[in-house]
Amino acid sequence: AQKVTQAQTEISVVEKEDVTLDCVYETRDTTYYLFWYKQPPSGELVFLIRRNSFDEQNEISGRYSWNFQKSTSSFNFTITASQVVDSAVYFCALNPNSGNTPLVFGKGTRLSVIA
Amino acid sequence: EAGVAQSPRYKIIEKRQSVAFWCNPISGHATLYWYQQILGQGPKLLIQFQNNGVVDDSQLPKDRFSAERLKGVDSTLKIQPAKLEDSAVYLCASSLSSGSYEQFFGPGTRLTVL
Repeated sequence: AQKVTQAQTEISVVEKEDVTLDCVYETRDTTYYLFWYKQPPSGELVFLIRRNSFDEQNEISGRYSWNFQKSTSSFNFTITASQVVDSAVYFCALNPNSGNTPLVFGKGTRLSVIA
Repeated sequence: EAGVAQSPRYKIIEKRQSVAFWCNPISGHATLYWYQQILGQGPKLLIQFQNNGVVDDSQLPKDRFSAERLKGVDSTLKIQPAKLEDSAVYLCASSLSSGSYEQFFGPGTRLTVL
């Protein structure tokens, strides 16, 4: 079975603090893709990153960085020097590379950045 | 590049009424998805189209939900009759093709069933 767990329901930080959002996944597939999406108050999910299971290199994009560890089935997301505009719900998702299987989302983590 | 368009943005109906949502995907995207997002949860796939054909509708409550994608472009999702538990945000997404491609989401339609 495919499953994504985001244990942190809500996180609140003060602006300029660093924050890490956890994501743990379960799959029996050897090839799969992991995603992070941001859902601001407007409701639209915004694609942030896609990672395939064979690429364990960490990635940095501006203030965002992702740590993929196959050994612990985790794909954590860190925001450095958080800003108020980062306030949103963040979803981790799994797509097994089994043809047309659906994207499996976690329940999301609500991040509030306070000025 | 224009994004995924959805309408209406909000809809309030009474239980047992019917409702329809419309989605226009990004031009050239073969795959279209409808998700249901209940408050406090992640999106759950209802149905996936590849061009005109249905790829996956295993989680669509077919006794009351229906969807179509005519001509492989626009799509409509209908609920008839609506129940209280259908209150949710209905998200449409599209991607170049199925599988591992990133999905681009529309703003969603927030449905409230009273």
